[in-house]
Amino acid sequence: RKEVEQDPGPFNVPEGATVAFNCTYSNSASQSFFWYRQDCRKEPKLLMSVYSSGNEDGRFTAQLNRASQYISLLIRDSKLSDSATYLCVVNLSGYNKLIFGAGTRLAVHP
Amino acid sequence: DGGITQSPKYLFRKEGQNVTLSCEQNLNHDAMYWYRQDPGQGLRLIYYSQIVNDFQKGDIAEGYSVSREKKESFPLTVTSAQKNPTAFYLCASSTPRTGNNSPLHFGNGTRLTVT
Repeated sequence: RKEVEQDPGPFNVPEGATVAFNCTYSNSASQSFFWYRQDCRKEPKLLMSVYSSGNEDGRFTAQLNRASQYISLLIRDSKLSDSATYLCVVNLSGYNKLIFGAGTRLAVHP
Repeated sequence: DGGITQSPKYLFRKEGQNVTLSCEQNLNHDAMYWYRQDPGQGLRLIYYSQIVNDFQKGDIAEGYSVSREKKESFPLTVTSAQKNPTAFYLCASSTPRTGNNSPLHFGNGTRLTVT
């Protein structure tokens, strides 16, 4: 089993739709969690950290479920510019040794 | 503006040649990392360095070497021993915080093609 697993997609949604991605992790001792966004042939950029109580940043909401070992990302009112690959990132142990999922591709169409 | 710079953006080499990828940051970050990305896979850690003159192997260090002589610089050498070097290479840096909850800042990557 992979340490961090994501549905590769693609998720094809119309503008204005709400879409959610899940990411599961295998190590229950994981300490910190992030969502990154990566555009085609570009570097990943931090979208948001994921906090235990859940957190929101505009149209984006991140949640953590430690009991079931998954994190989620909800995007409301999708925009064309949200089209990208969303990477789930987990810090499994120690000093900033981050493990990346393979990403979920989102395509928002008019 | 502070940032992390990788050069060159595209690099072409013949099989059997060593090649060095540059990574420089002016963010005053202690930790630096090298990842490679292949299609359909997550980023995989090659090497990381938490402090000057110290570095550790990541998950796929074979065929690679690094140095960390200065805080700002963390060059990666892809040697001829690396069996499948063609990939997108990403350098990153971070600053340690309590709880290990510090995100990575990435350079814009070097796309290496070996033929």
